[in-house]
This record gives sequence, C-alpha cells and structure tokens, in this order.
Amino acid sequence: GAGVSQSPSNKVTEKGKDVELRCDPISGHTALYWYRQSLGQGLEFLIYFQGNSAPDKSGLPSDRFSAERTGGSVSTLTIQRTQQEDSAVYLCASSPSGGDFEPQHFGDGTRLSIL
Amino acid sequence: GENVGLHLPTLSVQEGDNSIINCAYSNSASDYFIWYKQESGKGPQFIIDIRSNMDKRQGQRVTVLLNKTVKHLSLQIAATQPGDSAVYFCAESHYNQGGKLIFGQGTELSVKP
Repeated sequence: GAGVSQSPSNKVTEKGKDVELRCDPISGHTALYWYRQSLGQGLEFLIYFQGNSAPDKSGLPSDRFSAERTGGSVSTLTIQRTQQEDSAVYLCASSPSGGDFEPQHFGDGTRLSIL
Repeated sequence: GENVGLHLPTLSVQEGDNSIINCAYSNSASDYFIWYKQESGKGPQFIIDIRSNMDKRQGQRVTVLLNKTVKHLSLQIAATQPGDSAVYFCAESHYNQGGKLIFGQGTELSVKP
C-alpha cells in the first residue's frame, strides 16, 4: 500500500536559494504534519494541517519558512533564502483525522544540504 | 519548556536477549505516547502506542510500560534480533496540542550477533 511519499529524497542547494519540498500523504488522511530532524537529533515540529482549519504554524523557526496544502492532500514546504543552519532532514507525516490518539505515519524525508 | 528525553543514548545487546529502552517525560498533562523505530536513511516507523489511562500495552515482541507517577515510559523488546538495530524515539502529545508530537532525542540500539 502507498505510504507517505516525499520528494525529492535529497536536495543540495546554495545558500540564499529558495527550495520547495513536497509531501503526498496517505490517501484519505486529513491531518498532515511537517517535522525537521537535525543530525543525530530528535524531530522538531514545524507545522500541522487539519482538514480546512487554519494550520498550526507555531513550530516554524522563521518567516523564511512557509507551507501550503492544496486540495486537502499534497503539501509543499518552502524555505526562502536558505541558510546553512537549514540543513536537516525534513519529514512529513499524516494521520487519519488528527485525533488525539492516532499515530502519525512518516515518509522517508527530504535530506536538505545547504552549501 | 516541555521535553521528552531518553536516559541512555546508546544500548548494545546480544542477539536473543531482551532490550529495555527508557524515556522520561516532563509534561504531566501528556495523555498519549508513541514509540518509533528509525533506521538509517528512513523515516520513523510506528511501533506501539499507549494512552495515559493504561500502564501497559503489548504488541508482537514489544511491550510499552507507562509509569505516570514518575513520568517514565519504557519499551521492552523480547528476543532482540539484528533487524531491531535502529534508533528508537519516544514521543508524547496531549489533547490540546492538536496532535503534534514532542520527540525525545533517541536511543541507538545495537544488536550483536
């Protein structure tokens, strides 16, 4: 069965460039999450979409980070004017309804390297 | 701030032995806990979860124990196999966090043949 799909799997870009990372959640899942994982660290929450509600952006580290979710399915995380400290693995997860007791299912992430 | 952390950053066990991975959490309001397994180059894989109204839950070869008194969570893996080698994360959430998870730093489990 299709799990959470992320693209690209790896991205190398120069400092100052913009990047877009894509996430396709599990079909039918209404809740979508973005996390960031720095080398050897745990996951850090970035943003959460649930249905048609306003997203929870409380984890975004700066205004260079933004995300959209079109049609309640695919999501794009955009980082503008990338900095070296943005280098990390960006992970997307989805869950059926974003309920309180639902495990989130993760994709394999996009490994972002800023030169 | 709230945090979820692990007591041991690395754990090495012999194949066939049982493994115990520990996690401490600081938010007494947390009501849902999950253990994830992460292999190199992969995303976290769900292992088992537990709600705060339980103190034990069993899966296939895995058991999660929750001690709310001391805010401690553990993952027990029976008859550990080389395929169990990975980094294990605990994560917690509570109902007014909109489902977002707070992760610990992870424990690396190494299984020796």
